[in-house]
Amino acid sequence: EIVLTQSPGTLSLSPGERATLSCRASQSVSSSYLAWYQQKPGQAPRPLIYGASSRATGIPDRFSGSGSGTDFTLTISRLEPEDFAVYYCQQYGSSLYTFGQGTKLEIK
Amino acid sequence: QVQLQESGPGLVKPSETLSLTCSVSGDSVSSSSYYWNWIRQPPGKGLEWIGNIHYTGSTNYNPSLKSRVTISLDTSKNQFSLRLTSVTAADTAVYYCARGILRWGQGTLVTVSS
Repeated sequence: EIVLTQSPGTLSLSPGERATLSCRASQSVSSSYLAWYQQKPGQAPRPLIYGASSRATGIPDRFSGSGSGTDFTLTISRLEPEDFAVYYCQQYGSSLYTFGQGTKLEIK
Repeated sequence: QVQLQESGPGLVKPSETLSLTCSVSGDSVSSSSYYWNWIRQPPGKGLEWIGNIHYTGSTNYNPSLKSRVTISLDTSKNQFSLRLTSVTAADTAVYYCARGILRWGQGTLVTVSS
């Protein structure tokens, strides 16, 4: 089973700033099958990125994903007020999918 | 556009079986190349993948739940289902169904309590 570790646990930033979220895998993620989700309270997770770097439909281009192997990054280039939420990474390259524990992005 | 909707009892007694159904519209569970997934989220905690099923009937389960979980397809109703046996309070969560990784249902809260 691939274990995903997200860092930091909490990130405090101001609107307009750049956010960099990390997701590290315990072993290589096959074919970069790594996704990122945004979740706000009381809502289902919203897919942002799949295949490590492809944006899902309707996702603004301020969201970008990068990485391969065991190290992946979600970057939000310029934070908008609606971007403050919890972010999860997920690998789906093995037959047993796993999620990271999440990073909370909060307003500073 | 594909849509998924979870349904089932919102309250289950300890030691009993939790049963949920995911109704799918806009795609066919009997022919789609996607995997049909179940995911859960205990209150205030992170996401946990439960397992999935392919239209061929092939299944994969989280090792931590494998002894208690069954995921199945009902092609006549275009649905897929989750059964979780011998539930405890630790199984209280919002349960989501999803097609692949990009299409999710809204989730349904299941509480385990006597």
